[in-house]
Amino acid sequence: DSGVTQTPKHLITATGQRVTLRCSPRSGDLSVYWYQQSLDQGLQFLIQYYNGEERAKGNILERFSAQQFPDLHSELNLSSLELGDSALYFCASSPTTGGNTIYFGEGSWLTVV
Amino acid sequence: AQSVTQPDIHITVSEGASLELRCNYSYGATPYLFWYVQSPGQGLQLLLKYFSGDTLVQGIKGFEAEFKRSQSSFNLRKPSVHWSDAAEYFCAVGLSYNTDKLIFGTGTRLQVFP
Repeated sequence: DSGVTQTPKHLITATGQRVTLRCSPRSGDLSVYWYQQSLDQGLQFLIQYYNGEERAKGNILERFSAQQFPDLHSELNLSSLELGDSALYFCASSPTTGGNTIYFGEGSWLTVV
Repeated sequence: AQSVTQPDIHITVSEGASLELRCNYSYGATPYLFWYVQSPGQGLQLLLKYFSGDTLVQGIKGFEAEFKRSQSSFNLRKPSVHWSDAAEYFCAVGLSYNTDKLIFGTGTRLQVFP
């Protein structure tokens, strides 16, 4: 158990809908990272938040957004869902930003039908 | 741009045999290097990491990896594979200065035969 908690574990939704994935980082960790894992794209970095502020941005679509709240949990919002958004979404956390190991949650499986 | 290459998509070994999974990276400075393992339906578990110092690093489950700067490589090894090692293995490079985001390779799927 990495200490990173993600909910829900599985989600099935229809095209055009919006979903929210939630992540609680390890106790004391200030940074949260979101990754997408799909068969065709592999593991892609989406975005990082550090202590409530966006720190790094990767291949995140405009239809996707994230935020980190004062209690340090984070949410990834996916809207106008397409079939191609079906993937495993990982959250990870680290103590600060720079020079750390990041620890991953077990992921949220999203299926868009 | 930073990148990680895992040239072997799929490797099959017999239980008890030795294992080496290859990883090459492209990065201008000395990177932070990681190996993660993902069992079916599971998250990513850290096997080992290299930040600095001794270029041979030991990890969990009997794995080790060696950083070779001249070859831009960080290959993962295990002297004797167990059936429970069957999983997907990911090499990753960390951009260390102001973020811990990782760039991952495409992974190597390990199959172990009894």
